Amino acid sequence: GDSVTQMEGPVTLSEEAFLTINCTYTATGYPSLFWYVQYPGEGLQLLLKATKADDKGSNKGFEATYRKETTSFHLEKGSVQVSDSAVYFCALSTDNQGGKLIFGQGTELSVKP
Amino acid sequence: SQTIHQWPATLVQPVGSPLSLECTVEGTSNPNLYWYRQAAGRGLQLLFYSVGIGQISSEVPQNLSASRPQDRQFILSSKKLLLSDSGFYLCAWGQGSSGNTIYFGEGSWLTVV
Repeated sequence: GDSVTQMEGPVTLSEEAFLTINCTYTATGYPSLFWYVQYPGEGLQLLLKATKADDKGSNKGFEATYRKETTSFHLEKGSVQVSDSAVYFCALSTDNQGGKLIFGQGTELSVKP
Repeated sequence: SQTIHQWPATLVQPVGSPLSLECTVEGTSNPNLYWYRQAAGRGLQLLFYSVGIGQISSEVPQNLSASRPQDRQFILSSKKLLLSDSGFYLCAWGQGSSGNTIYFGEGSWLTVV
């Protein structure tokens, strides 16, 4: 079945460091790909998404490019801030799944001043 | 604009007691509705989804049930809680097709003691 695999956390970085969180997927159809963020004690918020191959999603300095050839959707940010500390979830949905989101296991990011 | 609310935000329940979590969506019609669970330190697991009133699909066998008595109301229930039901429960809505964003409520923390 469809699945998402993320790099394991926790990831600890210093402020202004470069961030990469790896995400790869397995899907039988042509999925849409998402990154959600969960701040401590809160629900999930959409960070960015891409709906077809080679699309780049971006928001708040974060970027991810839909790479069909490597079945990947890695999240990147050039300079992280303490306020970026959160859990990041990669997810996919396909039309044959009725729009349901299938999530990776989440990657906790901690940014130190 | 669309909003989603779920309640209660936190609850502590004894083993064997009943459960009712409620979720409502405003500002949209005929949404797809979802219940996810996030166990401590783990990813998100889809429990139930609904594409219309009275239509419930269960993703995993468990001690919980869901109902959709109205178009924008989704209820998660249990007759007798188990310790393993503890976790963070998230209600979400979307418009059903791949590529459409799914929006999450604030979450409900359930501790079964």
